[in-house]
Amino acid sequence: DQQVKQNSPSLSVQEGRISILNCDYTNSMFDYFLWYKKYPAEGPTFLISISSIKDKNEDGRFTVFLNKSAKHLSLHIVPSQPGDSAVYFCAALHTGANSKLTFGKGITLSVRP
Amino acid sequence: DAMVIQNPRYQVTQFGKPVTLSCSQTLNHNVMYWYQQKSSQAPKLLFHYYDKDFNNEADTPDNFQSRRPNTSFCFLDIRSPGLGDAAMYLCATSRTGFEKLFFGSGTQLSVL
Repeated sequence: DQQVKQNSPSLSVQEGRISILNCDYTNSMFDYFLWYKKYPAEGPTFLISISSIKDKNEDGRFTVFLNKSAKHLSLHIVPSQPGDSAVYFCAALHTGANSKLTFGKGITLSVRP
Repeated sequence: DAMVIQNPRYQVTQFGKPVTLSCSQTLNHNVMYWYQQKSSQAPKLLFHYYDKDFNNEADTPDNFQSRRPNTSFCFLDIRSPGLGDAAMYLCATSRTGFEKLFFGSGTQLSVL
């Protein structure tokens, strides 16, 4: 039972345009969400997070939007750069006791020069 | 730089031959995790240590064991690797919980 879903396995975007990566979740207990970025032959690195008390969090070119009623979040990258080409994992957490981080399968983003 | 280091980057073992993967950290984090990631799948948590407190996931096979002899080191032992255990194994750390994990580069395990 996949509780965090990244339904699009890949996305290709022109350099300078916006990249929108989507993520859906099914567990209404999740209250904290993170995005990780992974280059080939490297481990994932933390990118940005958002708490369920917010609907938007911004860090430079990266913005995460959360729609709790739709159980949906998205990562916007503006403007996209070739160095952003990587696999992006959405992850969710219920910040209660004995909770663990649940990852999606990831989206491969390719930014074309 | 403070970091999470995994050795080796690539490990080849034979079917049924025990193998140990290692992880060290210089972040002085309390929590260490082992994840298994197969191609095009989500990373799957195998177990984690909060200090010396071991937490095993219910669906982690008994074939997988872990040791944390001190704060800095953590080991993943696969007692009798099967072909289905071929995967990327990721070690991660965090200060107190799952809010922000720091990952190593992973060990890609092949089973022949």
